[in-house]
Amino acid sequence: GIQVEQSPPDLILQEGANSTLRCNFSDSVNNLQWFHQNPWGQLINLFYIPSGTKQNGRLSATTVATERYSLLYISSSQTTDSGVYFCAVHGGANSKLTFGKGITLSVRP
Amino acid sequence: DTAVSQTPKYLVTQMGNDKSIKCEQNLGHDTMYWYKQDSKKFLKIMFSYNNKELIINETVPNRFSPKSPDKAHLNLHINSLELGDSAVYFCASSQLDRSEKLFFGSGTQLSVL
Repeated sequence: GIQVEQSPPDLILQEGANSTLRCNFSDSVNNLQWFHQNPWGQLINLFYIPSGTKQNGRLSATTVATERYSLLYISSSQTTDSGVYFCAVHGGANSKLTFGKGITLSVRP
Repeated sequence: DTAVSQTPKYLVTQMGNDKSIKCEQNLGHDTMYWYKQDSKKFLKIMFSYNNKELIINETVPNRFSPKSPDKAHLNLHINSLELGDSAVYFCASSQLDRSEKLFFGSGTQLSVL
């Protein structure tokens, strides 16, 4: 099945800093989504982005499908951005959305 | 107006018991899912139902049985609970064409003692 690798596994930022989270995948995809799991465990869908670029406030995402990666940008980070960020993809021979292992982000005040 | 709601939020029970988790979505989606998140935060799909029909059934023990009375509800029944079943279980929904976002419920933390 399709492989999803996220990097870095852990990230510590000072409030106000910018960051880039990466998601690599092993096959062509027709669906790619980014999720944020907050410290209370809730999973929030950030972006549906199988290709191209989208922005939502301080967050933006870019997927370069031909090169099999996606990037999530967080600008002017806030403590509320802390949590785990998951990339999930659907494609190849898979019939389901496959999640990466997540990136744990800690934003310190 | 919670889009995907699941109950209970916490479930603590003894080994060998049978328990159920309920899920309902009001998004009008035709596909619902159960995911399991282990202690390392890894998310893995267990089941998927489209319009009350099972379309994905991963390698899950037979003790887990999903039931979908209608396309807005997907419940998960677990028989003879084991210690290894302890995890967070998430319900989710989307549209079958896979071009829609996946929306998650708030999760049920199951602890088997």
